[in-house]
Amino acid sequence: DAKTTQPDSMESTEGETVHLPCSHATISGNEYIYWYRQVPLQGPEYVTHGLQQNTTNSMAFLAIASDRKSSTLILPHVSLRDAAVYHCILRVLNTGYQNFYFGKGTSLTVIP
Amino acid sequence: DPKIIQKPKYLVAVTGSEKILICEQYLGHNAMYWYRQSAKKPLEFMFSYSYQKLMDNQTASSRFQPQSSKKNHLDLQITALKPDDSATYFCASSQEQYSAETLYFGSGTRLTVL
Repeated sequence: DAKTTQPDSMESTEGETVHLPCSHATISGNEYIYWYRQVPLQGPEYVTHGLQQNTTNSMAFLAIASDRKSSTLILPHVSLRDAAVYHCILRVLNTGYQNFYFGKGTSLTVIP
Repeated sequence: DPKIIQKPKYLVAVTGSEKILICEQYLGHNAMYWYRQSAKKPLEFMFSYSYQKLMDNQTASSRFQPQSSKKNHLDLQITALKPDDSATYFCASSQEQYSAETLYFGSGTRLTVL
């Protein structure tokens, strides 16, 4: 599986916009970029995913570099509820069975 | 209402005993998974099932045995429990396994082995 690199931790203040970076220099053309987040004592929660185009939903905006070697999850106006570990994961499309593998992710702390 | 039900939420067992962790999903999904998370460690993939068939096993020990009695069930039997088995076990599901499908997770079973 291609690898992703994320900072171990980041800190933000409530109300700010947070940019969570993810590097995936060896990404393949058929790999999707997925973001999940996990709060303590709960299972991971899907945030968003994309292939080439930037995507947006009610939770976040995913900005994907034109060469696809990096992406940034943008969380507008973070609240205390956004404090979680954010995982950037690559997943191949339609090449047999595939599993999601989680790394350490980025631990986001939100200060009141 | 939760769509993936894991039971029990908390479980305490003694070393050497056997326990079964229950997972039921009501999302109509065809693929189910088990993950394990030990204290302050990343989520670790264990098993994947597709249409009730084992697709991948990343667990070294045969003490961990998934059991799929129904399409929407994937229980996890753990025998000869050890203190190192203490962790939170998460069940997950997706519509299919072969495509880039989104995973949905249950709230986990926290197992403590004394």
